[in-house]
Formats: sequence, structure tokens, C-alpha cells
Amino acid sequence: DTEVTQTPKHLVMGMTNKKSLKCEQHMGHRAMYWYKQKAKKPPELMFVYSYEKLSINESVPSRFSPECPNSSLLNLHLHALQPEDSALYLCASSGTGSREKLFFGSGTQLSVL
Amino acid sequence: AQSVTQLDSQVPVFEEAPVELRCNYSSSVSVYLFWYVQYPNQGLQLLLKYLSGSTLVESINGFEAEFNKSQTSFHLRKPSVHISDTAEYFCAVRGANAGGTSYGKLTFGQGTILTVHP
Repeated sequence: DTEVTQTPKHLVMGMTNKKSLKCEQHMGHRAMYWYKQKAKKPPELMFVYSYEKLSINESVPSRFSPECPNSSLLNLHLHALQPEDSALYLCASSGTGSREKLFFGSGTQLSVL
Repeated sequence: AQSVTQLDSQVPVFEEAPVELRCNYSSSVSVYLFWYVQYPNQGLQLLLKYLSGSTLVESINGFEAEFNKSQTSFHLRKPSVHISDTAEYFCAVRGANAGGTSYGKLTFGQGTILTVHP
């Protein structure tokens, strides 16, 4: 199994809603990532988890809250988002060496109304 | 810190024509280089990577890229493109000795949209 699975594929939410994005991999990878990709832009790193611990937070607003409950799962909890947070949210995983390639999921297309 | 510049935002070509997508990088340390492809409404897929060794790397679907250290470039080429190659292509760089918390930090270029016309 070489897949990173993200759910849901599409999400529409209001600014007062609370929702969660989910990501799952069964490749034994101990590094997992959240990227944000605005339309016609490259992905931007948000968070990195290594061995289930948060190791990088790229100054992301607190309305985005990541969680890594175990080595296969990565969640991104969303609360009080703004319309400018609308984007494709990509999850990725990899081994923990710098030579390791990232495997990306297909993403969750988020629209904030 | 690293940066990546993809010199062309859009490249239109006809089917069976050759194509080159240009990528230049800047870094104060040794780097690993990657090309990713993104089809509409999809995540990114690794196309090829340069880690060490031969400076010419190839993918299974006919793309190749050459690492040129003196020109700090990693251009992507294909001698004959197909309609199915239409996608956005991202060049990315990562520090070669990045350890600790830095290994996950891929820096992407702005992307090049390749459109193959019949």
C-alpha cells in the first residue's frame, strides 16, 4: 500500500463551523506533513510531525490545529476559519531521512463561506 | 535557506514535440532536487529526483532531468510529449544534510503548466 488517503475530498464550511480533515497512511512512515495550496500557487508547508510529535509549525494561525493520534493518522482541526483559508489542503508522509521522497494524498478542497 | 525559480509559468506545445521546463535553484548548502507533477484536482506525484551520482536522472514515462551544479539548474526535458502529459510541474529542493526537524522542508518553485495540444 503506497497511498496516502485524505478525507473528505471536498468540504464547504462557514466561518463559525468546526471541522476536521483526516489523513491516513500505512507505509510505516514516521514523518507526516500538512501543506496548503492556493489556486495556481505551489504548496506551502504548514506542519511536520515526526514520530507523532510536532516538529515544525510554519507560523500557522491557531485556527488550524494539527493532531497526530498515532503513527498512521494525521488530523487537521479547523475552527473559525476565514474565506482566505479556502485552498487545497494536502497531506504527505515520508521516511525520516532527508533522501526520502514525500508521498502526497489527493487533498481536501476546502471552501470557507 | 533555499529558493527555486521556474522560469516559465506556462508552456504550450504540440503533441510529439520536445519540451523543456526550466528550473534554477539557490542554496548555500548541497541540495537534493525533485520534480513533482500535479494533475487537476490531484495531489503531487514524484516524477524524478536527484540525490547523488549521475547528474542525468530519468523517469519511467520518458522525462529526464539534468543536474548542473555550476549553473544551479535542474531542467526537465522530454523528447516527445503526449496529450496525457498536460499537467502542472513543480521543481522542488531540500537541503542534502537537513537533519533534525528540517528534513521535511521541501521548497517548491511556482510551477509550470504544461499544455499539450493535438
